[in-house]
Amino acid sequence: GNSVTQMEGPVTLSEEAFLTINCTYTATGYPSLFWYVQYPGEGLQLLLKATKADDKGSNKGFEATYRKETTSFHLEKGSVQVSDSAVYFCALFSGGYNKLIFGAGTRLAVHP
Amino acid sequence: KAGVTQTPRYLIKTRGQQVTLSCSPISGHRSVSWYQQTPGQGLQFLFEYFSETQRNKGNFPGRFSGRQFSNSRSEMNVSTLELGDSALYLCASSLEASGERNQYFGPGTRLTVT
Repeated sequence: GNSVTQMEGPVTLSEEAFLTINCTYTATGYPSLFWYVQYPGEGLQLLLKATKADDKGSNKGFEATYRKETTSFHLEKGSVQVSDSAVYFCALFSGGYNKLIFGAGTRLAVHP
Repeated sequence: KAGVTQTPRYLIKTRGQQVTLSCSPISGHRSVSWYQQTPGQGLQFLFEYFSETQRNKGNFPGRFSGRQFSNSRSEMNVSTLELGDSALYLCASSLEASGERNQYFGPGTRLTVT
């Protein structure tokens, strides 16, 4: 079945460091891929998405490229800020109905 | 445009009781999905409603049910609560336009079962 695997956290970085959070998926067909972010005590916010191979999603300095050959959708940011501290979820859209399959989440902690 | 709202935000119940959670989608959104978030199992899909019909259901026992009203508002109900039902319950709405797959989440209802 469809599944998403994320790198385990927590990821601890200093401010202005480069961020990569790995995400790979297993799915039939060509799923849409998403990154969501969850700040403490809040729900999920859509960070970026890509709907077909080689698409690059970007938002707020974050980027991820849909790589079908490696079934990956790694999240990157060139210079993280303390305010980026949150839990990041990779997800794929499964099938014809509105069902997201999520990875386990990766907690990011950025220190000044 | 107002976002997805969920009520109540926090709830404490006792084992064996039942609970009803409410979700109001973004205006114009006709699809509502529910997810359960726990530290052990992560985010798991419960069910999805569109035009008052359940279109998809996750792998949860029959104690978990839901419905959607004509104004697209949705409720989920959990009967005979168990300790393991303690979780953050998230509702998400979607526009359901062609090619549109973005789901917008509410802040969640934190349910604690004692």
